[in-house]
Amino acid sequence: GENVEQHPSTLSVQEGDSAVIKCTYSDSASNYFPWYKQELGKRPQLIIDIRSNVGEKKDQRIAVTLNKTAKHFSLHITETQPEDSAVYFCAASIGGGADGLTFGKGTHLIIQP
Amino acid sequence: DAMVIQNPRYQVTQFGKPVTLSCSQTLNHNVMYWYQQKSSQAPKLLFHYYDKDFNNEADTPDNFQSRRPNTSFCFLDIRSPGLGDAAMYLCATSRGTGEKAFGSGTQLSVL
Repeated sequence: GENVEQHPSTLSVQEGDSAVIKCTYSDSASNYFPWYKQELGKRPQLIIDIRSNVGEKKDQRIAVTLNKTAKHFSLHITETQPEDSAVYFCAASIGGGADGLTFGKGTHLIIQP
Repeated sequence: DAMVIQNPRYQVTQFGKPVTLSCSQTLNHNVMYWYQQKSSQAPKLLFHYYDKDFNNEADTPDNFQSRRPNTSFCFLDIRSPGLGDAAMYLCATSRGTGEKAFGSGTQLSVL
């Protein structure tokens, strides 16, 4: 089955700086890669996703890049704000459709004021 | 505007006492999923329904069962809860195109 590795487990950055979280996946059949933000006690919320036919996608301060050859993808958050503090999960799905997600272990992002 | 609704929000059960968690959706999505999320861990897929077709993950314990009586509802049955089953249980739905909509979860405690 699919295995997703995520680094770092904790990331502390100064407000206004950029944050980068990296993930690798094992199964080359995976073709859908979402990123979720989860605040304590709340549901995971999709913040951005990318499919394997695209190398990069951007939505305001958030961007995701995908390198299919190396089987890794990254989340980039620019101009970080205190409300960005949360746990971020990357995930991968084989088939890009109905199959369930395999999640990375999560990154606790801390924005220092 | 809750579109994936899980009840109850908090559930307490006794060791070995069967418990059922419920999920309903107003999105008319054809796929429904159950994930288990233990404290400070990532969500882990237990199983999913594609329409009426049930798909069980290989490492999901036999203690966990699921029912989907119709498109809108899905249930998670834990036949004999153990202390290790205490977790947040998340229901999610999908149109089968990738993006999943998560419910708020049910926090299960086992005493």
